[in-house]
Amino acid sequence: EPEVTQTPSHQVTQMGQEVILRCVPISNHLYFYWYRQILGQKVEFLVSFYNNEISEKSEIFDDQFSVERPDGSNFTLKIRSTKLEDSAMYFCASGARDNYNEQFFGPGTRLTVL
Amino acid sequence: SQQGEEDPQALSIQEGENATMNCSYKTSINNLQWYRQNSGRGLVHLILIRSNEREKHSGRLRVTLDTSKKSSSLLITASRAADTASYFCATALIQGAQKLVFGQGTRLTINP
Repeated sequence: EPEVTQTPSHQVTQMGQEVILRCVPISNHLYFYWYRQILGQKVEFLVSFYNNEISEKSEIFDDQFSVERPDGSNFTLKIRSTKLEDSAMYFCASGARDNYNEQFFGPGTRLTVL
Repeated sequence: SQQGEEDPQALSIQEGENATMNCSYKTSINNLQWYRQNSGRGLVHLILIRSNEREKHSGRLRVTLDTSKKSSSLLITASRAADTASYFCATALIQGAQKLVFGQGTRLTINP
C-alpha cells in the first residue's frame, strides 16, 4: 500500500541553524501539507500546497518557514533560523482530494533544537 | 474557541471491552476524520465520515456523526492490547478550507 515517507526521522540542530525536512508524498496525490505537534500538545496545521503554490498557511508559518516541491516527488519544509520553540514532531501529509480531503500522514520527523 | 475537542482525555478499559470516545466541534464541517497515534509515532488514518453521513463502519470501528449536536463518536468493539494509543478527531471545514483541525486526543489504554 502506498505511503508517505519522511526523512530524517530525527534531526538535532543548534538554535539559529537552517533545517530542511523532507517528505515523499503518495505518488498520485495533488495536495500536500505540513503539520507539527509539540510534545504533549495537539497537532497543528502549518501549510497546504497545491499546484506549486501555497494554498493556505497558519499564523505559525511565518517568514522563517518555506516549502518547496523541487521535483516530481519530494516536498520539503525549510526552517531558516531555528528557535528552541520549533522543537516538535513535524508531519507531512498528502491527499488526492476528491471533495473530501482525506489526508494520509507520514511517520514524522522529530526536530530537536538545542 | 476550540474546534475538535475529544472526551474523555484518558480512558482505561479491560481487553475485550468496548471503548467509546467522543469529539465535539464548533463550526460547520465538510467531514470529520479519526486518526490513531501510537506513542511518539505517526498518525494513522482510521476513518472519514462525511457531513451527510450519520454512521460508518470499518472492521471493529464504528463512527457516528451528529451534525445537529456538532459531535462524533468513535467506538472500538472487542478491544485489544494493540489498540492502546491516542485517538484524535480532525475536522475539515466547509468553504474550501483544506486544513484539518485536530483535537487534543483521547489516550486509550487497554489492560490485558
